[in-house]
Amino acid sequence: GENVEQHPSTLSVQEGDSAVIKCTYSDSASNYFPWYKQELGKRPQLIIDIRSNVGEKKDQRIAVTLNKTAKHFSLHITETQPEDSAVYFCAARPDSNYQLIWGAGTKLIIKP
Amino acid sequence: GAVVSQHPSWVICKSGTSVKIECRSLDFQATTMFWYRQFPKQSLMLMATSNEGSKATYEQGVEKDKFLINHASLTLSTLTVTSAHPEDSSFYICSARLAGVMETQYFGPGTRLLVL
Repeated sequence: GENVEQHPSTLSVQEGDSAVIKCTYSDSASNYFPWYKQELGKRPQLIIDIRSNVGEKKDQRIAVTLNKTAKHFSLHITETQPEDSAVYFCAARPDSNYQLIWGAGTKLIIKP
Repeated sequence: GAVVSQHPSWVICKSGTSVKIECRSLDFQATTMFWYRQFPKQSLMLMATSNEGSKATYEQGVEKDKFLINHASLTLSTLTVTSAHPEDSSFYICSARLAGVMETQYFGPGTRLLVL
């Protein structure tokens, strides 16, 4: 079955700098890759997603890139702000059903 | 749009009692809902997939007789933790898939369960 690995587990960046979180997946049939942001004690919130027929998607300071050949996708956050501090989860959706296979999460710390 | 509510937000119960958690999609119909469990500083662990009008599909290692799931309508799924024990204490989160859209899951706010 599908397996998703996420790195790093913790990422600390200076406010204003960029942050990049990377995920790899194993099932080449996976066709949907969302990223969720979860603040402490709150629900995961979808921040951006990408389908397998697209290589890159951008929404203001957030972008996601997908390399289907290498089976990895990345979240890019530019001009980081204190409110970006949270845990970020990547996920992949295998073609066979609607379940999401989750990465282990990355704790992003924005240093003032 | 795509709002999911969950009730209660937190519950404390005695060991041996049962606890019911409700998950509602407020402004859309959800043919599929998912129940997750999350331990502190860990990722989301899928417990079961709930489809409206049919039996839930449980993940390996999740006891279906202990975690009863009912998805009686397109907007409501319930999870009942039967005979709860302290090891069942956790953060339970549901999500709902927007019917007609292939994949996007929207999450409820979660229920924090503490079993004494």
